[in-house]
Amino acid sequence: QKEVEQNSGPLSVPEGAIASLNCTYSDRGSQSFFWYRQYSGKSPELIMFIYSNGDKEDGRFTAQLNKASQYVSLLIRDSQPSDSATYLCAVKWRSGKSTFGDGTTLTVKP
Amino acid sequence: EPEVTQTPSHQVTQMGQEVILRCVPISNHLYFYWYRQILGQKVEFLVSFYNNEISEKSEIFDDQFSVERPDGSNFTLKIRSTKLEDSAMYFCASQFDGTDTQYFGPGTRLTVL
Repeated sequence: QKEVEQNSGPLSVPEGAIASLNCTYSDRGSQSFFWYRQYSGKSPELIMFIYSNGDKEDGRFTAQLNKASQYVSLLIRDSQPSDSATYLCAVKWRSGKSTFGDGTTLTVKP
Repeated sequence: EPEVTQTPSHQVTQMGQEVILRCVPISNHLYFYWYRQILGQKVEFLVSFYNNEISEKSEIFDDQFSVERPDGSNFTLKIRSTKLEDSAMYFCASQFDGTDTQYFGPGTRLTVL
């Protein structure tokens, strides 16, 4: 089983819609959870992090964590064409190591 | 706003040659990381570094790899004898003590011929 698994893409949504990105992880001392955005050829850019169960909102982005079910999700409201990118889920383990998922490519169509 | 910088942006080398990739983390950050991303694949953790020593390394980080903080500002990744499969983007990241947020540099694209 992969340590961090993201829903396979690509994902396409119309402009203004809600994009939902999901990630599951194996519980091997998981500590904190991150969502990054990566444009082609660029480095990962942090969008949000979450440590505790529940929702965390930042502008148009909401991260949701459910430790019992071992999943973390990212909702993007009012999606814009500029949100088109690959979204990476990352889990940081207590050891300090971080594991990234394969990424989900999102396309927001005008 | 402070940022992590990396040099060079692109390095081309012959197989078997040594390369050193350089990173300048954000000042006052105490944790440093190297990741790599082979084209079309996921970001992979290589090594974390704290208090002048390696704190965690992945199975990828074998004897061909080493890291060093030669002075108060630079953090380097050395690959002793490059292989074709070392071709990838290499990202450096740094983190402030007491947080989990890592700030990534722009990356160095390494091409091994």
